[in-house]
Formats: sequence, C-alpha cells, structure tokens
Amino acid sequence: QTVVTQEPSFSVSPGGTVTLTCGLSSGSVSTSYYPTWYQQTPGQAPRTLIYSTNTRSSGVPDRFSGSILGNRAALTITGAQADDESDYYCVLYLGSGIWMFGGGTKLTVL
Amino acid sequence: EVQLVESGGGLVKPGGSLTLSCAASGFTFSNEWMSWVRQAPGKGLEWVGLIKRKVDGGTTDYAAPVKGRFTISRDDSKKMLYLHMNSLKTEDTAVYYCKAATPWGQGTLVTVSS
Repeated sequence: QTVVTQEPSFSVSPGGTVTLTCGLSSGSVSTSYYPTWYQQTPGQAPRTLIYSTNTRSSGVPDRFSGSILGNRAALTITGAQADDESDYYCVLYLGSGIWMFGGGTKLTVL
Repeated sequence: EVQLVESGGGLVKPGGSLTLSCAASGFTFSNEWMSWVRQAPGKGLEWVGLIKRKVDGGTTDYAAPVKGRFTISRDDSKKMLYLHMNSLKTEDTAVYYCKAATPWGQGTLVTVSS
C-alpha cells in the first residue's frame, strides 16, 4: 500500500523561507505524479496553490513555488507571512486513475 | 465568478444512502474533470473519486474505501456534479468537497450515525 508522506509540522520565522516536501513510501516522486499543493486554514475549504509540479493557480502570489527536489515534490514559501500559517497538503497521481493525499503539514509562522 | 456549491449533506444511519450535489458556475463545466474530496473531523484530506469530461470518455475512478459503494455522475446540461453514496459507514462521516481542476466548493457535512 503506497503512502504519500509529508512532514507533520514545520515552523518558519516571518520573512523566512521554508520548503515543505511530499514523498512516497516507496519510490521517487517525479513530474509524472503531477504533484499538486493545497493550503487550508481552519474551518475553510482548501485552496489550490500549485498544480502539475510548478504551475501556480490563479491569484497565488509568486512567494509560493513548486519543484522536484531529489526524490520528493517540494513547496517553497519565500518571505513567509503570518497568514501563511495553515495546513498544507500535497496530492499525487498514482496511476490507473487514482490520486492520493499526503497527511498534511501544519505550518507555524513565529 | 467561479463557484462550486455543494448540497445534500445531513445525518444518515449506517447502511443508509445519500446523494450529494454540486452546482457549478462561472466556468465551462463540461470541459472539466471533476472530483470529490472528503475530510473527516479533525483529519486530513482524502481523495474520493473523479469523473472525466465526456470528450475523455466520461469515466469514473474511485478510492479503494468507497469503490463499489459510491458513484459519481454529472449532468453537463445543468452544470451539476453528483455523489451517490450507498451502504454508508460511520467512517464515511466527513465534510465532502467537490472540486474542479483548481477551484473548490465550500463543502457539505455528512454524518453517519445511529
């Protein structure tokens, strides 16, 4: 059973840079997995940040960027702001029509 | 304005059935692959399934926990997406979101409890 892995939590200082990652329990993440990133604040619906590895969704500031780093997908936030404090989820396409979410990363800005 | 509005959530007994609806506006619904994603209380996001656009065959795919119990359908003329849920279990309790490629709805809560 494939599992999509994310760091459970991360913290960053205001103005700092943080990279969240998304991996597989077995194997490497590549662009073929179409990694997609979502941001969710408590009580709100998720918001799409990045799709197909590195394409920003409409209205998303360029402080958010996506990439492949080594064998994982990555979401980098440059110049973190207080309202970036959220849960971040990645989802990967596993093939045969199946997508799977990671468990999410709770980002604290302090 | 792009909008997705879910409806149909509520309380249902284990073993029961429920159909969720999602009304789309502000974009060309028929061009989009549409998905359902759920989130159990206090938990992370879980992909439920998707339906492709008609030009790509209109086929569906489902996550293992719901396969055989849930069915996704669409009515492009009405810009509507549906999730038909049968044999509901307590572990199906969640907020259910419909989503297109990037926009999400606000979700509707389904509670399965006796």
